Amino acid sequence: QKEVEQDPGPLSVPEGAIVSLNCTYSNSAFQYFMWYRQYSRKGPELLMYTYSSGNKEDGRFTAQVDKSSKYISLFIRDSQPSDSATYLCAMTLQGGSEKLVFGKGTKLTVNP
Amino acid sequence: GAVVSQHPSWVICKSGTSVKIECRSLDFQATTMFWYRQFPKQSLMLMATSNEGSKATYEQGVEKDKFLINHASLTLSTLTVTSAHPEDSSFYICSARDSLAGGRNTQYFGPGTRLTVL
Repeated sequence: QKEVEQDPGPLSVPEGAIVSLNCTYSNSAFQYFMWYRQYSRKGPELLMYTYSSGNKEDGRFTAQVDKSSKYISLFIRDSQPSDSATYLCAMTLQGGSEKLVFGKGTKLTVNP
Repeated sequence: GAVVSQHPSWVICKSGTSVKIECRSLDFQATTMFWYRQFPKQSLMLMATSNEGSKATYEQGVEKDKFLINHASLTLSTLTVTSAHPEDSSFYICSARDSLAGGRNTQYFGPGTRLTVL
């Protein structure tokens, strides 16, 4: 079993839809959880950063962490064609210089 | 803020030659930088952790003599792919951790370098 599992998709939705992206993980010691957005042939861009369980909202994006289920989610409201990208979840054990463990990424297409 | 640049963005080289890729943090200091490799439709795979002023830490299976990493300053790390072969063709991405971010492990990524070895 991989440390982080993420459905690669692809996921295709109409403009304005609510998008739900998810990752599961096996290591209960993970404490910090991140979502990155990566456009084709570009480096990843940090979208959301959460520590431990709970919700965090930033504009149209909401990140949820459920440590009891080892499950994290990213919701995108009122999705736009510009949201079309690959979304990567990542997590790490602690702060400091700990390395990130990434999911495979989910490719999202928002159709106008 | 928190911009990381990479140079070159794209390079083609002949088999057997060496290629150097630079990673710079433009508006913050980074005592730690990370080098990743990404194959098409795959996620990022960490190759090594680069610490300013000390030797890099390589992940299992990554040849340290083939992928030379130098982190000579708080804003620059370099990755040199020595004696490159076609199987080294990939997308190489660096990231940098803001040294002043405290306990928060926020990594900022560069735009990546696409290496093609003929």
